[in-house]
Amino acid sequence: SQTIHQWPATLVQPVGSPLSLECTVEGTSNPNLYWYRQAAGRGLQLLFYSVGIGQISSEVPQNLSASRPQDRQFILSSKKLLLSDSGFYLCAWSVTGSYNEQFFGPGTRLTVL
Amino acid sequence: AQKVTQAQTEISVVEKEDVTLDCVYETRDTTYYLFWYKQPPSGELVFLIRRNSFDEQNEISGRYSWNFQKSTSSFNFTITASQVVDSAVYFCALSEALFYFGSGTKLNVKP
Repeated sequence: SQTIHQWPATLVQPVGSPLSLECTVEGTSNPNLYWYRQAAGRGLQLLFYSVGIGQISSEVPQNLSASRPQDRQFILSSKKLLLSDSGFYLCAWSVTGSYNEQFFGPGTRLTVL
Repeated sequence: AQKVTQAQTEISVVEKEDVTLDCVYETRDTTYYLFWYKQPPSGELVFLIRRNSFDEQNEISGRYSWNFQKSTSSFNFTITASQVVDSAVYFCALSEALFYFGSGTKLNVKP
C-alpha cells in the first residue's frame, strides 16, 4: 500500500530564516506530487505540482520554491521566510495522469514569528 | 471566479440529525471529476469519493450519500444520522486536470 510522509510535523521559524519541508511517498512509482498551503480557517491553495523528476510547475508567484530530486521526494523551500508564509503545508500525491484523486500527507504546521 | 463554491461556512447539528453539505462548481469542460474530502481536527485530508462528469448516479456509502446534478452544477453531500466523529471540515473539489478546492464547510456535530 502507498504511504506519504511529511516532516517536520510542526516548525517555528523566525522571519528571514530559510525553510525546507520534505515529503516522500512509498509504494508507488512516478506519482504526480503537489504542495498546498492552508492558512488558518481557509481553503487549500495549490503552490506547486510535479509530474516527474526535475519538473516543477508553480501556481502562485511567491518566495517559495520546490524541487523534486528523486521520483518520490518533493521538497518545499524558501531562502527567507515572511510572516505571511505561516500556515499548514500539505503534500499530496496522485497516480500519473489527470483527474485522479489526490492522497494527502499529515501536513506541516509552520509558524513564522 | 470561484470554480468550486461551498456557500456554507459552518454548520452545527445535534447528533443523529441528517445534514447536507452543498457544493456548486463551474466548468466549461465536458470531462471533469468531482471529489469530496474530510479534514478532521488532526489536519490530514481524507479522500471520500470521486465522481466523473458522465456518471450522474447518486452514490451511497453507509451513512454518506452524494447527489450529483449536472443541470444545477451541484455535487451535494449528505450525512445521515450524524455522529460526533463526523465533526470536521469538508472540502469539495473539481478536477479539470488540476484540482480546484472549495473553501470548505466546517461541520460541528454536538452530542
